[in-house]
Amino acid sequence: DAGITQSPRYKITETGRQVTLMCHQTWSHSYMFWYRQDLGHGLRLIYYSAAADITDKGEVPDGYVVSRSKTENFPLTLESATRSQTSVYFCASSLQGPGTQYFGPGTRLLVL
Amino acid sequence: GNSVTQMEGPVTLSEEAFLTINCTYTATGYPSLFWYVQYPGEGLQLLLKATKADDKGSNKGFEATYRKETTSFHLEKGSVQVSDSAVYFCALSGETSGSRLTFGEGTQLTVNP
Repeated sequence: DAGITQSPRYKITETGRQVTLMCHQTWSHSYMFWYRQDLGHGLRLIYYSAAADITDKGEVPDGYVVSRSKTENFPLTLESATRSQTSVYFCASSLQGPGTQYFGPGTRLLVL
Repeated sequence: GNSVTQMEGPVTLSEEAFLTINCTYTATGYPSLFWYVQYPGEGLQLLLKATKADDKGSNKGFEATYRKETTSFHLEKGSVQVSDSAVYFCALSGETSGSRLTFGEGTQLTVNP
């Protein structure tokens, strides 16, 4: 029972590079979410998806791109990484709203 | 818009002490309210929830009551353990938010033996 996994767990990159963070869930949950966690800000929603091929912006979408061609995968791409995108990124999924979301272990990203 | 305010941390307690972490919210209508917990190096886990006024959510000795009149959802535990050391997040899902959650900033709890 793998649940929800994220890869890589740690990533160091340079300003201007493209980075893709992967998220995979084995429950066939309809909803998937991407958050970033920063000290003093709690968790902020970047993008979410209600189903395959349906995505929508969250609170802080600028500089990020998502896609969802398959129900189980929800990759997050930083098209041109900036230092301000240094953060811990969490993916989550839920069967139906509201509220009971299941979180992955997180990806710690450092942009130099 | 929706917002959640948690008491500032960090909070440090001795084992078997009483815990209260305050949470107040702003939202229209009747949101659902949640407490999530994050143990070191892990993602968040749902601790408890309440979906209507006066409901009490409870789990693992933790409790929180949905108080519409004071727009609050304070987390309590009568006797904390070292294993309760974690970051606690209060969150809400508004009536029109679908599955989206709005989180508070989190409160770091450290319990010393």
